[in-house]
Amino acid sequence: IAGITQAPTSQILAAGRRMTLRCTQDMRHNAMYWYRQDLGLGLRLIHYSNTAGTTGKGEVPDGYSVSRANTDDFPLTLASAVPSQTSVYFCASSELAGGKEQFFGPGTRLTVL
Amino acid sequence: GQNIDQPTEMTATEGAIVQINCTYQTSGFNGLFWYQQHAGEAPTFLSYNVLDGLEEKGRFSSFLSRSKGYSYLLLKELQMKDSASYLCASMDSNYQLIWGAGTKLIIKP
Repeated sequence: IAGITQAPTSQILAAGRRMTLRCTQDMRHNAMYWYRQDLGLGLRLIHYSNTAGTTGKGEVPDGYSVSRANTDDFPLTLASAVPSQTSVYFCASSELAGGKEQFFGPGTRLTVL
Repeated sequence: GQNIDQPTEMTATEGAIVQINCTYQTSGFNGLFWYQQHAGEAPTFLSYNVLDGLEEKGRFSSFLSRSKGYSYLLLKELQMKDSASYLCASMDSNYQLIWGAGTKLIIKP
């Protein structure tokens, strides 16, 4: 692994189903983030983690949950997917919280029908 | 409220210079960032300004005026590969990035 990876690359999901998007980084970065990107809107922060064992809510946290059991992994779970959660999801990391540069994963394109 | 404004789309000619403007209003300020995003790909970091003035990095330069809540990204000697979206983001008092919707730059030969 080099950098930050996400899985799956894309997914079509029926409304009401549970889904976990995976994110793994091998840079030993302390801070990790989940964003969604929708056409015509800027990236919006869903949840973040400044260090392993801690998480926080971003701008649009409703319907999503995260965990940070270790430094490398930061999964995002949709408990009961709804069509408005159709989006491209990016995971990112930075060396420290508030770090100068965030490194992004390749993204997961999620469609909820 | 927090707000980042940048033009939706710009067109420029290969070899020319283009300036992409960004105005920001955030709760606190801990730096202004520019990222590049090619279609279907992830954003990649271009520049960071926290003090007023111009930061130059090769063909790309970024300027910041904190008193005006204003930044611009200057791209020189445009190449076709510069066709991408350019995202402006301001880091607020909680050290979270507030993002603009991005400026799609189209380069014509």
